[in-house]
Amino acid sequence: AQSVAQPEDQVNVAEGNPLTVKCTYSVSGNPYLFWYVQYPNRGLQFLLKYITGDNLVKGSYGFEAEFNKSQTSFHLKKPSALVSDSALYFCAVREERNNFNKFYFGSGTKLNVKP
Amino acid sequence: DSGVTQTPKHLITATGQRVTLRCSPRSGDLSVYWYQQSLDQGLQFLIQYYNGEERAKGNILERFSAQQFPDLHSELNLSSLELGDSALYFCASSASASSGNTIYFGEGSWLTVV
Repeated sequence: AQSVAQPEDQVNVAEGNPLTVKCTYSVSGNPYLFWYVQYPNRGLQFLLKYITGDNLVKGSYGFEAEFNKSQTSFHLKKPSALVSDSALYFCAVREERNNFNKFYFGSGTKLNVKP
Repeated sequence: DSGVTQTPKHLITATGQRVTLRCSPRSGDLSVYWYQQSLDQGLQFLIQYYNGEERAKGNILERFSAQQFPDLHSELNLSSLELGDSALYFCASSASASSGNTIYFGEGSWLTVV
């Protein structure tokens, strides 16, 4: 069965420091992985995705994610956090079954960036 | 702006009532997904449509139903509403049923049941 785990409910980091939001996945076949960000009272915004190719994927707002097949992980990273990065982050994996997509989302990680 | 439009943005209704939430997908997108987000249960997948046909069902209650119309817009019908149905309901769309296409979310419809 497909699944996504975000082991941390909350991550706290000081502004200017690097941040990591963790995600591990379980999928049969090739994983298609995504990160989304949700600001308060807003919809989920697409940040980046891994389909194939380079394991380091760059996305919006300076975020990047590293695909690690052996560890089945897809951690979200940013070299220098901003207070405005404070939001809820969701990892997702796509399953293709019977020629249609189904997306599985993690439980979300709340990122708090303190000045 | 994701291109996915949801109406209404906010809705307050009484228990036992019925409401309809509407979603217009991004131009050209054939797949529509509905999700429910509540404080204690995170993001829950409800149902998916592709080009008018139901393709996948998640944790959707029998009191809830959905459909996708020929013009590809979708509606989520919630009936016999209970206090616990208060949540943020998201619609999302993607370009096709398969491939690695990204799923894009609308801004959501806030439903408050009183």
